[in-house]
Amino acid sequence: QKEVEQNSGPLSVPEGAIASLNCTYSDRGSQSFFWYRQYSGKSPELIMFIYSNGDKEDGRFTAQLNKASQYVSLLIRDSQPSDSATYLCAVKDENYGQNFVFGPGTRLSVLP
Amino acid sequence: NAGVMQNPRHLVRRRGQEARLRCSPMKGHSHVYWYRQLPEEGLKFMVYLQKENIIDESGMPKERFSAEFPKEGPSILRIQQVVRGDSAAYFCASSLSGTGSNQPQHFGDGTRLSIL
Repeated sequence: QKEVEQNSGPLSVPEGAIASLNCTYSDRGSQSFFWYRQYSGKSPELIMFIYSNGDKEDGRFTAQLNKASQYVSLLIRDSQPSDSATYLCAVKDENYGQNFVFGPGTRLSVLP
Repeated sequence: NAGVMQNPRHLVRRRGQEARLRCSPMKGHSHVYWYRQLPEEGLKFMVYLQKENIIDESGMPKERFSAEFPKEGPSILRIQQVVRGDSAAYFCASSLSGTGSNQPQHFGDGTRLSIL
């Protein structure tokens, strides 16, 4: 059973701080990792994806992947109240067809 | 280029009726996924389809639910004899096919199904 785990939160950070969201996965064969943001009542939207160990930066967002530890994280620098949402981690194993496994999501609250 | 299109956005049905939810993937995408989400809960995978094939339906309830993705036209999620517990948001996502594809999923806006 492939599993993706996230702390449900809520994770509260003050405006301007760094928010750190974490995700662990059970399948060592996983190859592709995605972060989605979902505002209340809306659909998930893709923020970032990462395939290789290390860091990948895009604006205020940094994804970090450590395949040996089966751990992927998302850092949000200079957090804004508009970043308040649920963040979903998704993992894909191409040896397992094209299916994705989503974590339960972490609710982030950025306090002004 | 339109994204993933779902319709209707809102659907109201009475208990015992049928609900049909439609999803047109992004242009060029041949992989479609359906998810269900209850308020304040996570995405629950239902089914993964390619054109004319069901690849993984491990998340589909064994009764009343079915899905298809015909050669022509949108993917359809069909719920027969709906019950109150079917009330949820149903999201469709699509991804690009291709050799060694590591393409992400892109989501539609969802269909909010309400059962009276």
